[in-house]
Amino acid sequence: QQQVKQSPQSLIVQKGGISIINCAYENTAFDYFPWYQQFPGKGPALLIAIRPDVSEKKEGRFTISFNKSAKQFSLHIMDSQPGDSATYFCASSNDYKLSFGAGTTVTVRA
Amino acid sequence: SQTIHQWPATLVQPVGSPLSLECTVEGTSNPNLYWYRQAAGRGLQLLFYSVGIGQISSEVPQNLSASRPQDRQFILSSKKLLLSDSGFYLCACPRGSGYGYTFGSGTRLTVV
Repeated sequence: QQQVKQSPQSLIVQKGGISIINCAYENTAFDYFPWYQQFPGKGPALLIAIRPDVSEKKEGRFTISFNKSAKQFSLHIMDSQPGDSATYFCASSNDYKLSFGAGTTVTVRA
Repeated sequence: SQTIHQWPATLVQPVGSPLSLECTVEGTSNPNLYWYRQAAGRGLQLLFYSVGIGQISSEVPQNLSASRPQDRQFILSSKKLLLSDSGFYLCACPRGSGYGYTFGSGTRLTVV
Protein backbone atom coordinates (compact mmCIF):
# COMPACT_ATOMS: atom_id res chain seq x y z
CA GLN A 1 0.00 0.00 0.00
CA GLN A 2 1.58 3.23 -1.18
CA GLN A 3 1.10 5.88 1.46
CA VAL A 4 2.54 8.70 -0.63
CA LYS A 5 1.49 9.28 -4.25
CA GLN A 6 3.85 11.29 -6.44
CA SER A 7 3.37 12.81 -9.88
CA PRO A 8 4.43 13.17 -12.60
CA GLN A 9 6.61 10.13 -13.19
CA SER A 10 8.94 12.21 -15.33
CA LEU A 11 9.22 15.71 -16.71
CA ILE A 12 11.38 17.65 -19.11
CA VAL A 13 12.03 21.35 -18.60
CA GLN A 14 14.14 23.88 -20.42
CA LYS A 15 17.05 25.51 -18.67
CA GLY A 16 15.74 28.43 -16.65
CA GLY A 17 12.25 27.00 -16.41
CA ILE A 18 10.26 25.85 -13.39
CA SER A 19 9.91 22.19 -12.43
CA ILE A 20 6.92 21.25 -10.28
CA ILE A 21 6.46 17.87 -8.60
CA ASN A 22 3.38 17.01 -6.57
CA CYS A 23 2.76 14.57 -3.76
CA ALA A 24 -0.32 13.52 -1.80
CA TYR A 25 -0.53 11.58 1.41
CA GLU A 26 -3.26 9.82 3.36
CA ASN A 27 -1.97 9.38 6.88
CA THR A 28 -2.76 12.50 8.93
CA ALA A 29 -0.25 11.32 11.54
CA PHE A 30 2.62 12.21 9.21
CA ASP A 31 4.55 15.11 10.69
CA TYR A 32 7.59 15.55 8.49
CA PHE A 33 7.76 15.92 4.72
CA PRO A 34 11.21 15.77 3.10
CA TRP A 35 12.29 15.78 -0.51
CA TYR A 36 15.27 13.75 -1.65
CA GLN A 37 17.41 14.14 -4.75
CA GLN A 38 19.06 11.10 -6.30
CA PHE A 39 21.64 10.95 -9.06
CA PRO A 40 22.18 7.71 -11.02
CA GLY A 41 24.05 5.09 -9.04
CA LYS A 42 23.98 7.12 -5.84
CA GLY A 43 21.94 7.04 -2.67
CA PRO A 44 19.26 9.71 -2.17
CA ALA A 45 20.33 12.93 -0.47
CA LEU A 46 18.08 15.18 1.58
CA LEU A 47 17.23 18.29 -0.41
CA ILE A 48 14.68 20.21 1.65
CA ALA A 49 12.01 19.38 4.21
CA ILE A 50 8.97 20.92 5.84
CA ARG A 51 6.87 20.43 8.94
CA PRO A 52 3.04 20.68 8.72
CA ASP A 53 2.88 23.84 10.80
CA VAL A 54 4.17 25.96 7.90
CA SER A 55 2.77 26.37 4.40
CA GLU A 56 5.97 27.11 2.51
CA LYS A 57 9.69 26.71 2.86
CA LYS A 58 12.32 28.03 0.50
CA GLU A 59 15.99 27.16 0.22
CA GLY A 60 17.75 28.76 -2.69
CA ARG A 61 15.99 27.71 -5.90
CA PHE A 62 13.98 24.97 -4.16
CA THR A 63 10.60 25.64 -2.53
CA ILE A 64 8.18 23.30 -0.78
CA SER A 65 4.52 24.28 -0.73
CA PHE A 66 2.39 22.46 1.83
CA ASN A 67 -1.42 22.24 1.96
CA LYS A 68 -2.41 20.46 5.14
CA SER A 69 -6.16 20.48 4.49
CA ALA A 70 -5.69 18.90 1.08
CA LYS A 71 -2.95 16.58 2.33
CA GLN A 72 -0.73 17.64 -0.53
CA PHE A 73 2.73 19.10 -0.89
CA SER A 74 4.85 20.05 -3.83
CA LEU A 75 8.42 20.85 -4.82
CA HIS A 76 9.16 23.78 -7.09
CA ILE A 77 12.56 24.08 -8.72
CA MET A 78 13.02 27.60 -9.97
CA ASP A 79 15.49 28.56 -12.71
CA SER A 80 16.13 24.87 -13.43
CA GLN A 81 19.71 24.02 -14.38
CA PRO A 82 21.16 20.98 -16.17
CA GLY A 83 22.78 19.95 -12.88
CA ASP A 84 19.28 19.57 -11.41
CA SER A 85 18.66 16.61 -13.71
CA ALA A 86 18.01 13.80 -11.24
CA THR A 87 15.26 11.73 -9.68
CA TYR A 88 13.32 13.43 -6.92
CA PHE A 89 11.45 11.60 -4.17
CA CYS A 90 8.94 13.02 -1.77
CA ALA A 91 8.48 11.30 1.56
CA SER A 92 6.34 11.44 4.66
CA SER A 93 7.23 10.42 8.16
CA ASN A 94 5.76 9.68 11.53
CA ASP A 95 7.50 8.03 14.43
CA TYR A 96 10.75 6.88 12.91
CA LYS A 97 9.82 5.54 9.47
CA LEU A 98 9.79 7.30 6.12
CA SER A 99 7.36 6.38 3.34
CA PHE A 100 8.53 7.42 -0.12
CA GLY A 101 6.74 8.38 -3.30
CA ALA A 102 7.58 6.55 -6.51
CA GLY A 103 9.92 9.28 -7.73
CA THR A 104 10.02 11.83 -10.54
CA THR A 105 12.81 11.91 -13.09
CA VAL A 106 13.59 15.50 -14.02
CA THR A 107 15.52 16.27 -17.18
CA VAL A 108 16.69 19.82 -17.73
CA ARG A 109 17.49 20.62 -21.36
CA ALA A 110 20.18 23.20 -22.00
CA SER B 1 27.75 13.78 11.08
CA GLN B 2 27.10 10.17 10.25
CA THR B 3 28.71 8.23 7.45
CA ILE B 4 27.20 5.04 6.10
CA HIS B 5 29.41 2.48 4.39
CA GLN B 6 27.90 -0.13 2.14
CA TRP B 7 29.61 -2.86 0.19
CA PRO B 8 29.94 -4.16 -2.33
CA ALA B 9 28.89 -1.38 -4.70
CA THR B 10 27.79 -3.84 -7.38
CA LEU B 11 27.08 -7.53 -7.30
CA VAL B 12 26.01 -10.08 -9.90
CA GLN B 13 24.76 -13.34 -8.44
CA PRO B 14 23.15 -16.44 -9.95
CA VAL B 15 19.65 -17.50 -8.98
CA GLY B 16 19.73 -19.75 -5.92
CA SER B 17 23.00 -18.39 -4.55
CA PRO B 18 23.28 -16.84 -1.06
CA LEU B 19 23.58 -13.13 -0.38
CA SER B 20 25.19 -11.00 2.29
CA LEU B 21 25.22 -7.21 2.10
CA GLU B 22 26.83 -5.23 4.86
CA CYS B 23 26.19 -1.76 6.16
CA THR B 24 28.23 0.00 8.84
CA VAL B 25 27.65 3.40 10.35
CA GLU B 26 30.14 5.90 11.72
CA GLY B 27 29.60 9.04 13.73
CA THR B 28 26.64 7.91 15.82
CA SER B 29 25.78 5.31 18.40
CA ASN B 30 22.72 3.09 18.79
CA PRO B 31 21.05 4.46 15.67
CA ASN B 32 17.89 3.16 14.09
CA LEU B 33 18.96 1.43 10.89
CA TYR B 34 16.97 0.73 7.74
CA TRP B 35 17.26 -1.37 4.60
CA TYR B 36 15.47 -0.07 1.53
CA ARG B 37 15.21 -1.58 -1.94
CA GLN B 38 14.75 0.42 -5.09
CA ALA B 39 13.61 -1.49 -8.14
CA ALA B 40 14.48 -0.06 -11.56
CA GLY B 41 12.49 3.12 -12.15
CA ARG B 42 10.56 2.79 -8.93
CA GLY B 43 10.49 4.28 -5.46
CA LEU B 44 12.11 3.11 -2.27
CA GLN B 45 10.51 0.23 -0.44
CA LEU B 46 11.32 -0.26 3.24
CA LEU B 47 12.41 -3.85 3.82
CA PHE B 48 13.66 -3.95 7.40
CA TYR B 49 14.39 -1.64 10.25
CA SER B 50 16.22 -2.11 13.53
CA VAL B 51 16.08 -0.06 16.72
CA GLY B 52 18.94 -1.94 18.40
CA ILE B 53 21.22 -4.98 18.46
CA GLY B 54 19.29 -8.13 17.64
CA GLN B 55 16.05 -6.22 17.06
CA ILE B 56 14.70 -6.56 13.53
CA SER B 57 11.32 -5.60 12.13
CA SER B 58 10.26 -6.76 8.69
CA GLU B 59 8.03 -4.54 6.63
CA VAL B 60 7.20 -6.91 3.78
CA PRO B 61 7.22 -10.70 3.42
CA GLN B 62 10.05 -11.71 1.17
CA ASN B 63 13.00 -13.90 0.45
CA LEU B 64 15.38 -11.76 2.48
CA SER B 65 16.36 -11.47 6.13
CA ALA B 66 18.29 -8.95 8.18
CA SER B 67 20.48 -9.06 11.25
CA ARG B 68 22.13 -6.55 13.53
CA PRO B 69 25.02 -8.24 15.28
CA GLN B 70 26.63 -4.99 16.46
CA ASP B 71 25.39 -1.52 17.30
CA ARG B 72 26.57 0.02 14.03
CA GLN B 73 26.36 -2.99 11.73
CA PHE B 74 23.34 -4.05 9.72
CA ILE B 75 23.39 -7.06 7.41
CA LEU B 76 20.96 -8.07 4.68
CA SER B 77 20.97 -11.74 3.71
CA SER B 78 19.33 -14.37 1.62
CA LYS B 79 19.82 -18.12 1.53
CA LYS B 80 18.68 -18.48 -2.08
CA LEU B 81 18.34 -15.48 -4.38
CA LEU B 82 15.44 -15.05 -6.79
CA LEU B 83 15.38 -13.02 -9.99
CA SER B 84 12.94 -10.65 -8.28
CA ASP B 85 15.58 -9.81 -5.66
CA SER B 86 17.44 -7.69 -8.22
CA GLY B 87 17.53 -4.03 -7.32
CA PHE B 88 19.39 -1.22 -5.66
CA TYR B 89 19.74 -1.79 -1.92
CA LEU B 90 20.19 1.16 0.36
CA CYS B 91 21.05 1.35 4.04
CA ALA B 92 19.93 4.42 6.00
CA CYS B 93 19.97 5.91 9.47
CA PRO B 94 18.45 9.05 11.00
CA ARG B 95 20.39 12.24 10.51
CA GLY B 96 22.19 13.51 13.56
CA SER B 97 20.87 17.03 13.10
CA GLY B 98 17.23 17.56 12.36
CA TYR B 99 15.00 14.97 10.80
CA GLY B 100 15.19 12.66 7.84
CA TYR B 101 17.69 10.01 6.87
CA THR B 102 21.25 9.73 5.68
CA PHE B 103 21.62 7.06 3.00
CA GLY B 104 24.59 4.96 2.04
CA SER B 105 25.83 4.82 -1.53
CA GLY B 106 23.93 1.59 -2.18
CA THR B 107 24.58 -1.86 -3.64
CA ARG B 108 23.38 -2.66 -7.14
CA LEU B 109 22.37 -6.34 -7.10
CA THR B 110 21.65 -8.19 -10.32
CA VAL B 111 20.40 -11.74 -10.05
CA VAL B 112 20.94 -13.73 -13.26
